[in-house]
Amino acid sequence: GAVVSQHPSRVICKSGTSVKIECRSLDFQATTMFWYRQFPKQSLMLMATSNEGSKATYEQGVEKDKFLINHASLTLSTLTVTSAHPEDSSFYICSRGYQETQYFGPGTRLLVL
Amino acid sequence: TQLLEQSPQFLSIQEGENLTVYCNSSSVFSSLQWYRQEPGEGPVLLVTVVTGGEVKKLKRLTFQFGDARKDSSLHITAAQPGDTGLYLCAGGPPNYGQNFVFGPGTRLSVLP
Repeated sequence: GAVVSQHPSRVICKSGTSVKIECRSLDFQATTMFWYRQFPKQSLMLMATSNEGSKATYEQGVEKDKFLINHASLTLSTLTVTSAHPEDSSFYICSRGYQETQYFGPGTRLLVL
Repeated sequence: TQLLEQSPQFLSIQEGENLTVYCNSSSVFSSLQWYRQEPGEGPVLLVTVVTGGEVKKLKRLTFQFGDARKDSSLHITAAQPGDTGLYLCAGGPPNYGQNFVFGPGTRLSVLP
């Protein structure tokens, strides 16, 4: 069964609004979780590492003020896309690791109009 | 910077054919995973290999990790339309604190 969940699965919002995406580790506590974005027909691009109890680590080129990450508890990480614009439309996926393997959530499709 | 390359990028075959997808790097990885992703869904783990030279079989899928832990292959026997999807390889970081590295993916289409 699924070990990582995401909510919502799809979201449509107007330009300028903020959108929050939740990622939950269902089977055990995760001090570290990862956020990716994926454009159509492309591979995953790591955006940031979410760390419970400390600040997220962002990959080069990812705006930390644009993509706010909060690791609220050992089972929940949230990604907030602030002041979303159409170019932020993408598929956002989270993951958490366990024994040399990453387990992914089902993804969230964001469409900004 | 660790990089993973995958080949081919795109592959379209007929049902029943065999195929091999390759994942290569100049870097050493502590482990390597293969995932399959279908449109609109997150990647689903197929296998993790951790030992150089390791071979794992999952029904019609055979995975091999190179002896030097720098490359891997995925062989599918008698492909079926249900095998259609994006196949991603990912390398586990050799050192603590580094992140997983993903290949660009191989998009497989199996035609009935």
